[in-house]
Amino acid sequence: EAGVTQSPTHLIKTRGQQATLRCSPISGHTSVYWYQQALGLGLQFLLWYDEGEERNRGNFPPRFSGRQFPNYSSELNVNALELEDSALYLCASSPNPEQFFGPGTRLTVL
Amino acid sequence: SQQGEEDPQALSIQEGENATMNCSYKTSINNLQWYRQNSGRGLVHLILIRSNEREKHSGRLRVTLDTSKKSSSLLITASRAADTASYFCATKDSNYQLIWGAGTKLIIKP
Repeated sequence: EAGVTQSPTHLIKTRGQQATLRCSPISGHTSVYWYQQALGLGLQFLLWYDEGEERNRGNFPPRFSGRQFPNYSSELNVNALELEDSALYLCASSPNPEQFFGPGTRLTVL
Repeated sequence: SQQGEEDPQALSIQEGENATMNCSYKTSINNLQWYRQNSGRGLVHLILIRSNEREKHSGRLRVTLDTSKKSSSLLITASRAADTASYFCATKDSNYQLIWGAGTKLIIKP
């Protein structure tokens, strides 16, 4: 069974640009979670999608947004990138309570 | 604020020794989970302990939970070089979101 996949692996952008990160959950999982992990820190909850709808969001500005598609894959969009957005972005899918993580997308904002 | 706080922040031991990490949390929980993260990549679920359990084993892992002290410990016995990683505890908040600590970085020296 394939695990959670994320693309791209690495993404380098400049300040002010927009970034799109993608995630495909494990087959059969309808929930997708997005987390931001700054270097050396713990995970900060960003967004939770389930059955195509946003169920909850963390304490992040509106320029962090996303969506979930009918096949349960998900996109995270970050607009007007700032230097502090440089981090590892992790996606997880879940049958609850355990979460299965993808390898992450490392976003670097220059 | 973080629900889970791991202690110590970093731990370096010789291969073969036992490693103990602690996690404290703030609110009542249904369960507590431990995850491992290798080299800043995706997290892997290790073990879940429910609030009505006091101890749980999985291979070389032993987890304890003390709900009166709002704390948990993860013991890795007979450590191996492959155990070098960061270890995180996670609990769910009132919105059913996993809240993560900053993690314990474990280094196993050969």
